[in-house]
Amino acid sequence: SAVISQKPSRDICQRGTSLTIQCQVDSQVTMMFWYRQQPGQSLTLIATANQGSEATYESGFVIDKFPISRPNLTFSTLTVSNMSPEDSSIYLCSVPGRGEKLFFGSGTQLSVL
Amino acid sequence: QKEVEQNSGPLSVPEGAIASLNCTYSDRGSQSFFWYRQYSGKSPELIMFIYSNGDKEDGRFTAQLNKASQYVSLLIRDSQPSDSATYLCAFLAAGNKLTFGGGTRVLVKP
Repeated sequence: SAVISQKPSRDICQRGTSLTIQCQVDSQVTMMFWYRQQPGQSLTLIATANQGSEATYESGFVIDKFPISRPNLTFSTLTVSNMSPEDSSIYLCSVPGRGEKLFFGSGTQLSVL
Repeated sequence: QKEVEQNSGPLSVPEGAIASLNCTYSDRGSQSFFWYRQYSGKSPELIMFIYSNGDKEDGRFTAQLNKASQYVSLLIRDSQPSDSATYLCAFLAAGNKLTFGGGTRVLVKP
């Protein structure tokens, strides 16, 4: 499986500010996925980041709130904009491996005050 | 109806016993199924995947798939305290998107 580095690992932010989360993979991948895990909940897909094209967002998630960049095949960022306490979650980037398996980065624990 | 249903637990299991986790899914077209283990404060870790009906064994883990009943299960034999975690069932939905259940929390008591 790929080695997926995600940072920051955790942050505490003030309401109304933005945080950019970085995800670096040690091999080239066509698709990268961003998930959110709210406290005590399962994982929800935010968007799929494809290199060279706009990210594809799932229902309930919009680009203005969660802008994504994908400048090359090994890197992506997710920004959580104009944060509110409801954005307090774990944010996870993930990449596909062989046989449709999905592997996750270590996650970013975000707390919004 | 949720796409993936799991009993949230906690499932309390004595050390050395078999833990049995169940998952039902709604998408009859799904072909690929996965079990992830997530320790508290950590990211999910893939532990099993299964594509065909029947059983698949890997060490102390056995995944069972019944596509006709839209049911997938995970057995953990000889449960250890280190198996205490949340286990997430997932399937590959349309558009190659992995859809997760709510997870079952397992507690293995020494």
